[in-house]
Amino acid sequence: LAKTTQPISMDSYEGQEVNITCSHNNIATNDYITWYQQFPSQGPRFIIQGYKTKVTNEVASLFIPADRKSSTLSLPRVSLSDTAVYYCLVGAPSGAGSYQLTFGKGTKLSVIP
Amino acid sequence: SAVISQKPSRDICQRGTSLTIQCQVDSQVTMMFWYRQQPGQSLTLIATANQGSEATYESGFVIDKFPISRPNLTFSTLTVSNLSPEDSSIYLCSVEGVYEQYFGPGTRLTVT
Repeated sequence: LAKTTQPISMDSYEGQEVNITCSHNNIATNDYITWYQQFPSQGPRFIIQGYKTKVTNEVASLFIPADRKSSTLSLPRVSLSDTAVYYCLVGAPSGAGSYQLTFGKGTKLSVIP
Repeated sequence: SAVISQKPSRDICQRGTSLTIQCQVDSQVTMMFWYRQQPGQSLTLIATANQGSEATYESGFVIDKFPISRPNLTFSTLTVSNLSPEDSSIYLCSVEGVYEQYFGPGTRLTVT
């Protein structure tokens, strides 16, 4: 499985756009990139997944350059409720559909009023 | 999506005893996963549990310490045996969706 590297922590003010970058230099051809969000005392929650270029949903965007060795999670106009740990996972689907099982250290995002 | 519940939500156990954690899913799933999250740390996969077969354990985790049952497609248990303070963690179960995993709320175990 591809190893991922993320910043340990980030601070942002409310209303700003936050970009969290994940490095995955040894990503394989079949690997997808998935981001999870975890609040204290809760299990991780799926945010977004992509393979290449750009993916956008109602909560975030995911930018993946052509070489796919990194990816950037973009959170538009963060609020205090976005304070959480964000995990980047890389991997390919198993025969039964699961994509990634190995969590890295994650990025602790603190949103400041 | 899948809704997952875990019991108990938290427990305090004495050294040398065991705790069994239950995981219930609101739909039938092929694979269930058990994770451990030590205080302030990331999640570490303990094992993968398929219905009707032995669980597959990750490196560093053994069946004698973490026996797992998977009696049907909606339920699994994880037992943490012979507890020591180092077992104090949050234990989470998860199931796979089409693209992602769905996680339970976790069981916070404190060993005294």
